[in-house]
Amino acid sequence: AQSVAQPEDQVNVAEGNPLTVKCTYSVSGNPYLFWYVQYPNRGLQFLLKYITGDNLVKGSYGFEAEFNKSQTSFHLKKPSALVSDSALYFCAVREGYSGGGADGLTFGKGTHLIIQP
Amino acid sequence: DAGVIQSPRHEVTEMGQEVTLRCKPISGHDYLFWYRQTMMRGLELLIYFNNNVPIDDSGMPEDRFSAKMPNASFSTLKIQPSEPRDSAVYFCASSFLAETQYFGPGTRLLVL
Repeated sequence: AQSVAQPEDQVNVAEGNPLTVKCTYSVSGNPYLFWYVQYPNRGLQFLLKYITGDNLVKGSYGFEAEFNKSQTSFHLKKPSALVSDSALYFCAVREGYSGGGADGLTFGKGTHLIIQP
Repeated sequence: DAGVIQSPRHEVTEMGQEVTLRCKPISGHDYLFWYRQTMMRGLELLIYFNNNVPIDDSGMPEDRFSAKMPNASFSTLKIQPSEPRDSAVYFCASSFLAETQYFGPGTRLLVL
């Protein structure tokens, strides 16, 4: 069975500082990894994904994430935080086709990111 | 593209009533997913379809829940009879070739 852990319920960062939201995963085969953001009373918006290739993935709104296979991690990062980045962030995983896994995503519990002015 | 469309956006009903949630996926997408979000359990996959065929419904909580996809442009999730513990936000998502899933705005269901 696949799983995702987001160890921090909340991350507080001052505006202009770098931010990191942590994510570790467990999956049998090769992982497909995703980050989504959810604003209050809204659906989930896709930020970025890792399927294969370069371990550093760049996404929307200046976010990036680094895939680390040995540590089974996929942390979300941004060099300079904005107040408008405050939201709920979800990491998700599914097995890649080589693993023969199911196609649905398994989500972490989410991390509230609060950017203080 | 209008994105994934869900209706209604909000639904308030009484215990025992039938509830039908609707979803229109992004045109050209071949996968459709139904998820449920609650404070206690987070985001859970309920069921998904590929080319209108249900592939995995192991996440459907009980027989009171059913889902259909009569064509590539429409899916329904039905709860009959509804119970207070079904109160949640229900999301529909679609994707092409099971890669990036794009989510609708959700239906917020309250069962009294």
